[in-house]
Amino acid sequence: RKEVEQDPGPFNVPEGATVAFNCTYSNSASQSFFWYRQDCRKEPKLLMSVYSSGNEDGRFTAQLNRASQYISLLIRDSKLSDSATYLCVVKPGGYNKLIFGAGTRLAVHP
Amino acid sequence: GAGVSQSPSNKVTEKGKDVELRCDPISGHTALYWYRQRLGQGLEFLIYFQGNSAPDKSGLPSDRFSAERTGESVSTLTIQRTQQEDSAVYLCASSLFVSGDLYNEQFFGPGTRLTVL
Repeated sequence: RKEVEQDPGPFNVPEGATVAFNCTYSNSASQSFFWYRQDCRKEPKLLMSVYSSGNEDGRFTAQLNRASQYISLLIRDSKLSDSATYLCVVKPGGYNKLIFGAGTRLAVHP
Repeated sequence: GAGVSQSPSNKVTEKGKDVELRCDPISGHTALYWYRQRLGQGLEFLIYFQGNSAPDKSGLPSDRFSAERTGESVSTLTIQRTQQEDSAVYLCASSLFVSGDLYNEQFFGPGTRLTVL
């Protein structure tokens, strides 16, 4: 079983749509959680950290459920520029390395 | 300011040759990481350097892989006797190190695309 699992997609949505991505992780001792965004043939960039109480940044909302070991990302009012691969990322307890999911691809069309 | 830089951006080599990949972290970042990303897959952790501490080498896939870091600056990742399965993008990241900070951001370089023929 992979340490971080995501639906690979692709999710094809029209502009203005709301789309949700889910992710599960296997290590219950994981300490911190992130969503990174990766454009085609580019390096990953931090989109947002995910806190236990849930957090929002503009059109993006992240949720964490430690009991179910589940992380989600909600994107409202999708823009063409949101088209990218979204990587679910977990930092295991006691380590500084990051564990990446394989990513969920989003394509927003006009 | 300048971000993480890596060189070369692309490297094509023949099976069995050695390759050396370079990473220049963001100035002042004491933590440096190497990851590998195979086509269509997530990033795999390889190695982590923090200051003068012993590196965390737990992600290196075989003894053909090694990495060094000079002080708190440049790092090189060396792959000896390359194999076709080594073909991937090798990404370097750096971050500040703040003890107890669980959310310190890792900043990635553009990567080196390695192709082993």
